[in-house]
Amino acid sequence: EVQLVESGGGLVQPGGSLRLSCAASGFTVSSNYMSWVRQAPGKGLEWVSVIYSGGSTYYADSVKGRFTISRDNSKNTLYLQMNSLRAEDTAVYYCARLGHYYGSGSYSLAFDYWGQGTLVTVSS
Amino acid sequence: EIVLTQSPGTLSLSPGERATLSCRASQSVSSSYLAWYQQKPGQAPRLLIYGASSRATGIPDRFSGSGSGTDFTLTISRLEPEDFAVYYCQQYGSSPPSHTFGQGTKLEIK
Repeated sequence: EVQLVESGGGLVQPGGSLRLSCAASGFTVSSNYMSWVRQAPGKGLEWVSVIYSGGSTYYADSVKGRFTISRDNSKNTLYLQMNSLRAEDTAVYYCARLGHYYGSGSYSLAFDYWGQGTLVTVSS
Repeated sequence: EIVLTQSPGTLSLSPGERATLSCRASQSVSSSYLAWYQQKPGQAPRLLIYGASSRATGIPDRFSGSGSGTDFTLTISRLEPEDFAVYYCQQYGSSPPSHTFGQGTKLEIK
């Protein structure tokens, strides 16, 4: 059974740092595309970052230069290092697997497995 | 940057009725990279539809997706009580890789 479990959220002051973890089971993180998606309180979903199986990483403009996505293959765990945090980074952070789908000559990508989320609150 | 606009913002219907949710892109989107998600309060999103029209594993056939180019639709043929939730469309762009979500449509019980 595929499972994603996030941890590491909490209350942090503006300008501070936090590292989120996402422990995966039922599949291999390093063989998949993995992402972080966040949701501010009462708001919609916002994509944050992705790491490809080959190791390439990409970020939303809102977090570029402040957040770093990484993985530990030995622990089958995904991370998000968040630095220079701002009030607008307050959100529930979800890790999600970006699944590949093949059929009828087409190729699709979609977030097919999600963790339960971890809340990050940036406030003084 | 592609913007996805969902309409209506809120849809009030009764169980048994048909729901039609719209997702419009600011420029043409590959159907292969258009997905729909359902989110209930306090829960993570759940994948419903990928590739604009393919149902994800375990999704009932009352859910269907259609569309191409800039206009996409999620249809729920006969609403069940458990279908009342918020629905998001999402697209993947490749240059550079990024993902965009619509602002969501809240489907509420009338």
